[in-house]
Amino acid sequence: GAGVSQTPSNKVTEKGKYVELRCDPISGHTALYWYRQSLGQGPEFLIYFQGTGAADDSGLPNDRFFAVRPEGSVSTLKIQRTERGDSAVYLCASSLTGGRTGELFFGEGSRLTVL
Amino acid sequence: GDSVTQMEGPVTLSEEAFLTINCTYTATGYPSLFWYVQYPGEGLQLLLKATKADDKGSNKGFEATYRKETTSFHLEKGSVQVSDSAVYFCALDGGSQGNLIFGKGTKLSVKP
Repeated sequence: GAGVSQTPSNKVTEKGKYVELRCDPISGHTALYWYRQSLGQGPEFLIYFQGTGAADDSGLPNDRFFAVRPEGSVSTLKIQRTERGDSAVYLCASSLTGGRTGELFFGEGSRLTVL
Repeated sequence: GDSVTQMEGPVTLSEEAFLTINCTYTATGYPSLFWYVQYPGEGLQLLLKATKADDKGSNKGFEATYRKETTSFHLEKGSVQVSDSAVYFCALDGGSQGNLIFGKGTKLSVKP
């Protein structure tokens, strides 16, 4: 597709369940980012991939959160034992090469609600 | 650590009014600065950017100047339109990898 695609657009789950969120970046973009946006806040950085490897995972809040990008394209954000505080919009962005001045292209996000 | 502070909204203006959304930052070194916009039902998209002091970014009638002396990057537009209604986010790059640090966002509503 032409832009960054994220699925599902909405996910409602129960506390304690496991959730996967998928991101399909723009074709050819080597850099991929995950952000989390809580209500009334700006996006907060979670993790950055350059190719297949997680180059910076310093934003992941705890070990319940994990992300993979096995073939350097599609990425999956995985959340174990979900908590109500995990409710947020999870945004994915990609960039042609990464780096300080490259433009990030964002998807529309996956809204996660933990009941 | 690095941070961005932008004026709280919501901001409501009449069509053709002048717009200013204030943004200040705290950072070590000399970050690149950005304004992103989120239109209703759409993803965040880059509006404009500036990569060094005194640079002016501009796009779609919006402008912002990188002011190192006041650590500011205020967004301005001389005459807003209803179609400018959106949430605007100021951001800086948090390192060499391109990950961004965002402000909380300012919601703009323009009335006809």
